[in-house]
Amino acid sequence: EVQLVESGGGLVQPGGSLRLSCAASGFTFSTYAMSWVRQAPGKGLKWVSSISGSGGRTFYADSVKGRFSISRDNSKNTLYLQMNSLRADDTAVYFCARLEGFRAIDYWGQGTLVTVSS
Amino acid sequence: QTVVTQEPSFSVSPGGTVTLTCGLSSGSVSTNYFPSWHQQTPGQAPRTLIYNTNTRSSGVPDRFSGSILGNKAALTIAGAQADDESDYYCVLYMGSGSWVFGGGTKLTVL
Repeated sequence: EVQLVESGGGLVQPGGSLRLSCAASGFTFSTYAMSWVRQAPGKGLKWVSSISGSGGRTFYADSVKGRFSISRDNSKNTLYLQMNSLRADDTAVYFCARLEGFRAIDYWGQGTLVTVSS
Repeated sequence: QTVVTQEPSFSVSPGGTVTLTCGLSSGSVSTNYFPSWHQQTPGQAPRTLIYNTNTRSSGVPDRFSGSILGNKAALTIAGAQADDESDYYCVLYMGSGSWVFGGGTKLTVL
């Protein structure tokens, strides 16, 4: 069974940093691209970033480019999102998601809440 | 900037059939956008129903189906049940490793 379990969320001050993790199990992690998707309170889903199975290719939404960094450790079956220079509008639940063929999300994690506030 | 459009809300009677659509502010949706559909109830994580236009995710009943109808992607729910009452999001692959979600459709079953 595919499982994605996020951790690392919490309360952080504007301008601060946070690193999210997503522990994957139930599939061969290194053969799948992965993504982060976020959802601000009461709002819809927004794609944040994606990474290829090898980690060699990364992609970012314009709203986070230069501030967020996606990475993965295939030896630990773990996906990461390093978030720097956090702003109030980064407040959201962050979901990790598996990509089928680097084209479509086919599994989701349960999400971790990030709150940026002073 | 590309906008993915969805009906904000829709109603269906129990046992009825409803088709939700997913379009583009400019242009037509085709299989090249690899449309997928995701169901979300309040406070829960999304659940993938359909990906790559019409492939049902594991465990999804066959009363959920995906297609291209005209210039839009479509999600059809047959035999609607009370627990189908959820938000439904489509997402399109825009190339270069990026995706755009629609604003979601709030489905009411009554």
